[in-house]
Amino acid sequence: SQKIEQNSEALNIQEGKTATLTCNYTNYSPAYLQWYRQDPGRGPVFLLLIRENEKEKRKERLKVTFDTTLKQSLFHITASQPADSATYLCALDNFNKFYFGSGTKLNVKP
Amino acid sequence: DADVTQTPRNRITKTGKRIMLECSQTKGHDRMYWYRQDPGLGLRLIYYSFDVKDINKGEISDGYSVSRQAQAKFSLSLESAIPNQTALYFCATRSEGTYGYTFGSGTRLTVV
Repeated sequence: SQKIEQNSEALNIQEGKTATLTCNYTNYSPAYLQWYRQDPGRGPVFLLLIRENEKEKRKERLKVTFDTTLKQSLFHITASQPADSATYLCALDNFNKFYFGSGTKLNVKP
Repeated sequence: DADVTQTPRNRITKTGKRIMLECSQTKGHDRMYWYRQDPGLGLRLIYYSFDVKDINKGEISDGYSVSRQAQAKFSLSLESAIPNQTALYFCATRSEGTYGYTFGSGTRLTVV
């Protein structure tokens, strides 16, 4: 089955810097990959999707890249703010079912 | 009102008891899912349904059952709860042709 790896250690950065989170997967490359934000005690919220034939996708301060050769997606938040502090999950599809990574916690310090 | 509503928000139950978690949605989505979340393990799929007559097992369905009472309602049952079913449970919905899930706020279940 598909294995998804996200850095379990929290990422601590200073406000205004760019945060970069990593999602690695094993086995097959999915048709598309998604990123979600999760706040404590809340359900994940969908942020961005990138397809296997897309190298990069942007939405406001967010950027996602997808490298099927490296089997890796990178999620960037530019000009980070304390309000961006949350856990970020990546999810890969498998025939209409999604498998989620365990997430990386981002702490943005003012 | 929330798009996806889960009840109860919190529940403590005893080992061996039957418990039902409920999910209702106002999104009009045809696809509904149940996940559980454990620290360090991420979200794991329990059951999913693509319409009222379609129920499928996910990767960790043992000890659980589901019922799709209507397009908008999808409930998860633990027939005989055990302590290792203590977790945060999420219901999610999606529509064919769209990609992102819409999640409920979760049910925190503790089995003692």
